[in-house]
Amino acid sequence: DQQVKQNSPSLSVQEGRISILNCDYTNSMFDYFLWYKKYPAEGPTFLISISSIKDKNEDGRFTVFLNKSAKHLSLHIVPSQPGDSAVYFCAATTTSGTYKYIFGTGTRLKVLA
Amino acid sequence: NAGVTQTPKFRILKIGQSMTLQCAQDMNHNYMYWYRQDPGMGLKLIYYSVGAGITDKGEVPNGYNVSRSTTEDFPLRLELAAPSQTSVYFCASRPRNTEAFFGQGTRLTVV
Repeated sequence: DQQVKQNSPSLSVQEGRISILNCDYTNSMFDYFLWYKKYPAEGPTFLISISSIKDKNEDGRFTVFLNKSAKHLSLHIVPSQPGDSAVYFCAATTTSGTYKYIFGTGTRLKVLA
Repeated sequence: NAGVTQTPKFRILKIGQSMTLQCAQDMNHNYMYWYRQDPGMGLKLIYYSVGAGITDKGEVPNGYNVSRSTTEDFPLRLELAAPSQTSVYFCASRPRNTEAFFGQGTRLTVV
């Protein structure tokens, strides 16, 4: 049972345009969501997070949107840069417990120069 | 500040052999995790720990064991290695209320 789903395995975007990465979840107990970025041969690095009490969180070029009723979140990258090319994982957790992160399968973003 | 350190970076094991993947963090984090990542898949939680002396199973614990005798170290033990355990293993740690920090990973091949 995949509780966190990233249905697009890959995405290509032109440099300077917007990249939109999507993530869906099924467990209504999840109340904290994170995006991680992973380059080849490296560990994932934290990018941005959002609590379920918010519907948007912004950090520079990165914005995460949360739609609780649809159990959907998205990561927007504007403008996209070639250095953003990586695999992006979304993760979900509950803050009233052991904080286990459940990860999606990832979306490989390629930003074309 | 070294963060989360995993050793070794690469290892080839023969079927039936055993080994321990080491993970150490120097940030005094209480929570530590072991994940595995198979090609085209997300990270699956193997085991986690909420503090020294406390461990619990994650999504895919079969074939693995862990211990947490100190806050800093969280080794993952593979007994009787099988080809299905070929994967990239990531250790992570975090303080109570912020995001997790990951190590660089250990690429394990079982032949």
